[in-house]
Amino acid sequence: AQTVTQSQPEMSVQEAETVTLSCTYDTSENNYYLFWYKQPPSRQMILVIRQEAYKQQNATENRFSVNFQKAAKSFSLKISDSQLGDTAMYFCALTTRFGNEKLTFGTGTRLTIIP
Amino acid sequence: SAVISQKPSRDICQRGTSLTIQCQVDSQVTMMFWYRQQPGQSLTLIATANQGSEATYESGFVIDKFPISRPNLTFSTLTVSNMSPEDSSIYLCSAEALGQGAYEQYFGPGTRLTVT
Repeated sequence: AQTVTQSQPEMSVQEAETVTLSCTYDTSENNYYLFWYKQPPSRQMILVIRQEAYKQQNATENRFSVNFQKAAKSFSLKISDSQLGDTAMYFCALTTRFGNEKLTFGTGTRLTIIP
Repeated sequence: SAVISQKPSRDICQRGTSLTIQCQVDSQVTMMFWYRQQPGQSLTLIATANQGSEATYESGFVIDKFPISRPNLTFSTLTVSNMSPEDSSIYLCSAEALGQGAYEQYFGPGTRLTVT
């Protein structure tokens, strides 16, 4: 069984600043995939970024980037130049196989961007 | 990618009754998933629905309470049966589809259920 842990229930940051959300995980598989999902107050869950475990290069998507430390089983999300629209719940998730495999979610971090 | 819609978006139901939630995907997908989420909490997987076979339920969820249908590759329903106030929650549907070079899971907007 795999687990995903998010140790920061809530965070807040000033607009335009950089914020890092933490995530650790545990799995016995060697090949797996990690995700960060965003759920704004409107509650539609949106995929922010994806990282394949076999790739050493950290994924980036515009202002969003990850710090993937495979040996430490750590997968943090960095949001640069934060915007008011980044206010949301952020969930870290793990799956051991693409296609026909469920996601294991962390407990989430509620991020508030302060104007 | 996939766009997912759910109906109803919210409902208030009396205990002892049943509610069927519909999930429609704009493209054909193999796997669909049903989650439950308490406001401000994480997602709990109820079951996985594969077209043409019985749904696979997670520990703590049973077919008699949460029957699922998956009649084709774009549609699924979840029924919450014999409801009690403990069933008050947000129910989310998701589907796995090919995104940018890999499969990704897309989510519907959710159904907010209140049982009185």
